[in-house]
Amino acid sequence: DAGVIQSPRHEVTEMGQEVTLRCKPISGHDYLFWYRQTMMRGLELLIYFNNNVPIDDSGMPEDRFSAKMPNASFSTLKIQPSEPRDSAVYFCASSLTGRWYEQYFGPGTRLTVT
Amino acid sequence: RKEVEQDPGPFNVPEGATVAFNCTYSNSASQSFFWYRQDCRKEPKLLMSVYSSGNEDGRFTAQLNRASQYISLLIRDSKLSDSATYLCVVNMNDYKLSFGAGTTVTVRA
Repeated sequence: DAGVIQSPRHEVTEMGQEVTLRCKPISGHDYLFWYRQTMMRGLELLIYFNNNVPIDDSGMPEDRFSAKMPNASFSTLKIQPSEPRDSAVYFCASSLTGRWYEQYFGPGTRLTVT
Repeated sequence: RKEVEQDPGPFNVPEGATVAFNCTYSNSASQSFFWYRQDCRKEPKLLMSVYSSGNEDGRFTAQLNRASQYISLLIRDSKLSDSATYLCVVNMNDYKLSFGAGTTVTVRA
């Protein structure tokens, strides 16, 4: 079975550009989480969805970040405009209601903003 | 103060040795506890849940001390494949996980 799929795997962009990260959760999972990981701050939850509805976006750093989940099999995280401090690995994870804490992470998108 | 704090290590141990490390959490209202494992440049994966009475999963033993607000992980008979970063994870009875920065373990032949 396919796991969580993320694209692109690597993204290098210039400051000020728009960046869109994509995620396909595991089929049947009803929770989807977006995380960011850096050496300085570790793994931080940005936002999570339940049944495609955003539940908690308190971890989103600022208005430059937005996330959508138009259907059960697709989610995006957009940064506009990007800044060098946004450089990080962005993970998407999905899980089932009964075992929501067992989150299956995708391989991550390594974002570098120059 | 960070919500979850861990000794970053690294803990360098020979194969077959036992290694143990703790993490502390700041919020006494925390409800659920887990250990995740993250290999170098890979995604985190759930290793085990941590129950109040302590629990084992093969060579791994997890303990919870609510009074002192710490969680421990012990690995017996270490294998080379145990080399990874172990993330301590805490939940506050919502659907959000708070991750520690991780403890790195390196098992050498």
